[in-house]
Amino acid sequence: QKEVEQDPGPLSVPEGAIVSLNCTYSNSAFQYFMWYRQYSRKGPELLMYTYSSGNKEDGRFTAQVDKSSKYISLFIRDSQPSDSATYLCAMSASGTASKLTFGTGTRLQVTL
Amino acid sequence: IAGITQAPTSQILAAGRRMTLRCTQDMRHNAMYWYRQDLGLGLRLIHYSNTAGTTGKGEVPDGYSVSRANTDDFPLTLASAVPSQTSVYFCASSASPQETQYFGPGTRLLVL
Repeated sequence: QKEVEQDPGPLSVPEGAIVSLNCTYSNSAFQYFMWYRQYSRKGPELLMYTYSSGNKEDGRFTAQVDKSSKYISLFIRDSQPSDSATYLCAMSASGTASKLTFGTGTRLQVTL
Repeated sequence: IAGITQAPTSQILAAGRRMTLRCTQDMRHNAMYWYRQDLGLGLRLIHYSNTAGTTGKGEVPDGYSVSRANTDDFPLTLASAVPSQTSVYFCASSASPQETQYFGPGTRLLVL
C-alpha cells in the first residue's frame, strides 16, 4: 500500500463548479501538507501549503487537513477552464523537501 | 529571470549509453533536487543537494549520480542507461531544504 493515495481521475466538471480533490495517507507523522498544480508538459508549481490540521484559504482555493482521518482536501470554487491541470498532493513529517512524499496526481478538466 | 532551466527538453537514448541531464538555476538557491515522474507512481526523489558541495540519496538513486560543484548547477548523470529509466525528469530548487521548491520544465527521456 502506498503511503499517499490519490484518485488519478480524470475528473471532469463544468465551468463554475466547486471541485473537491482529495488525498489519504497512512503515515501519522506527516505534519506538512502541500498541493501542487501541474499543467501538461510543465513542472509542478506550489499552490497551497499547510501545517498540521485546519483550513487555509487563498482566493478560490481552500486547503483542508484532517489529521485524525489522515485525509486532506483541496477545494476550488468557481472553477475555470484555466484550472484544468493535474493536482498533486505532497506531505512530509519534517518539513524538509528531501523527505516529501507525493501523491500520483488527479487530472482535472474544467469544461465550458 | 529564467528561474530553472533544464536541458535537453527531450532525448531518445540507446540503452547502455551515458547521458547527463543539465539543470541550472539563477535564484541563488542553496538546495536542489532531481525527481523522476512516472505514470501511476508520481514524483519520486532521485538525489538532492542541501548546499553546494554536498549531495544525498533520495528514494530511487540507483543508476544515477549527481554532483554540486557550485550553487547554480546540479547535473544528473545516467552512467549506463536502461529502459526502466525512461521517464520525465524534473529538477527543482529551494532557498533552503525547508522552503518552497520551484520546479524546472522537465526533460523527457526515452531509453530504447
